[in-house]
Amino acid sequence: AQSVAQPEDQVNVAEGNPLTVKCTYSVSGNPYLFWYVQYPNRGLQFLLKYITGDNLVKGSYGFEAEFNKSQTSFHLKKPSALVSDSALYFCAVRDSGNNRLAFGKGNQVVVIP
Amino acid sequence: NAGVTQTPKFQVLKTGQSMTLQCAQDMNHNSMYWYRQDPGMGLRLIYYSASEGTTDKGEVPNGYNVSRLNKREFSLRLESAAPSQTSVYFCASSEQPELGNSPLHFGNGTRLTVT
Repeated sequence: AQSVAQPEDQVNVAEGNPLTVKCTYSVSGNPYLFWYVQYPNRGLQFLLKYITGDNLVKGSYGFEAEFNKSQTSFHLKKPSALVSDSALYFCAVRDSGNNRLAFGKGNQVVVIP
Repeated sequence: NAGVTQTPKFQVLKTGQSMTLQCAQDMNHNSMYWYRQDPGMGLRLIYYSASEGTTDKGEVPNGYNVSRLNKREFSLRLESAAPSQTSVYFCASSEQPELGNSPLHFGNGTRLTVT
């Protein structure tokens, strides 16, 4: 079965600094990888996905993620964080062999003005 | 477009009571899902419906039932609520999960407390 690990509970970053949210995954087949963001009292919103092709994926709101097959990682990055980026971020993986999506436990990002 | 609409937004139940959480999507998506979100545990799949007329158990189905009423609507029923079912429940839909690359579209959740 597929699984996702998000090792940090909270990431604090100063506004304007680079933001990185870490994610590692485990699947038996080819991974389909996703990042979602959740703002308070809202549902999750899709940010970006990796299916195949370029290892660097660009998504919404200036976010990007880098797929690294050898390290089984899919870290989310943003070059310059905004206060409005403060939210809960979830990494998710789907194995190519099934249609279930496994979510990580989430990372709280706090951008400090 | 409303997207995915969930009702109610909040609910308080006493142990043993029953209720149905409603979900509707207007994106003509084939697949619909019910997740629960608990602190420190991420999202866990309760039930899903790959297409109209089919439903399957997810990771944590015990204590729940579902109905895919039509292509738009997917309801979740708690027959006899327990305090362990206190959670935030999210409904989601996707276009074609079998292709593996369709993102999920989520509703804003139902916050359920069982006392």
